[in-house]
Amino acid sequence: EDQVTQSPEALRLQEGESSSLNCSYTVSGLRGLFWYRQDPGKGPEFLFTLYSAGEEKEKERLKATLTKKESFLHITAPKPEDSATYLCAVPWNTDKLIFGTGTRLQVFP
Amino acid sequence: DSGVTQTPKHLITATGQRVTLRCSPRSGDLSVYWYQQSLDQGLQFLIQYYNGEERAKGNILERFSAQQFPDLHSELNLSSLELGDSALYFCASSLGGLETQYFGPGTRLLVL
Repeated sequence: EDQVTQSPEALRLQEGESSSLNCSYTVSGLRGLFWYRQDPGKGPEFLFTLYSAGEEKEKERLKATLTKKESFLHITAPKPEDSATYLCAVPWNTDKLIFGTGTRLQVFP
Repeated sequence: DSGVTQTPKHLITATGQRVTLRCSPRSGDLSVYWYQQSLDQGLQFLIQYYNGEERAKGNILERFSAQQFPDLHSELNLSSLELGDSALYFCASSLGGLETQYFGPGTRLLVL
């Protein structure tokens, strides 16, 4: 069955401590991979879309990369305001998005 | 602000009741998607409408229905509510197919 798996489930970082979040997928014929940030009780906020292996996109302290089987969200020198749940999603069948269960990131000062 | 609006923000109701959630997509977007997010299930796709027509269906219960109106706003109707229907319900919109989906702020439903 096509699915999306994110790891780790939770990540605690000290401010300034860089790390990476992983999103692996098993859908065939990838038609894009989406990264979202979600704060508690709020709607997911769009971050990046990646379409092909080798593609990279950056926004402030975040950089997303894509291979044929997984995507990484690299966080460089994170700040407490980067604390959130990060979700990845891939389209399946028609336009339906399958979401991973997310990585809950906490950055401490 | 994504440009997607949802009302109401909060809804408290009793088991067996029926509620309607409303979503207005971003200007120019033709597709509307509904998702349910509960603590133990993550974000689950319910249904998609494109320019007034149903386009894709996910894990939507028979007690739930949706529609998209000529002005492109959408409503999600939940009936015969059960305790387990308590969740956050999100609406998202996109230009059409595989373009980026932008999410609204959600409606928090509590069934007592």
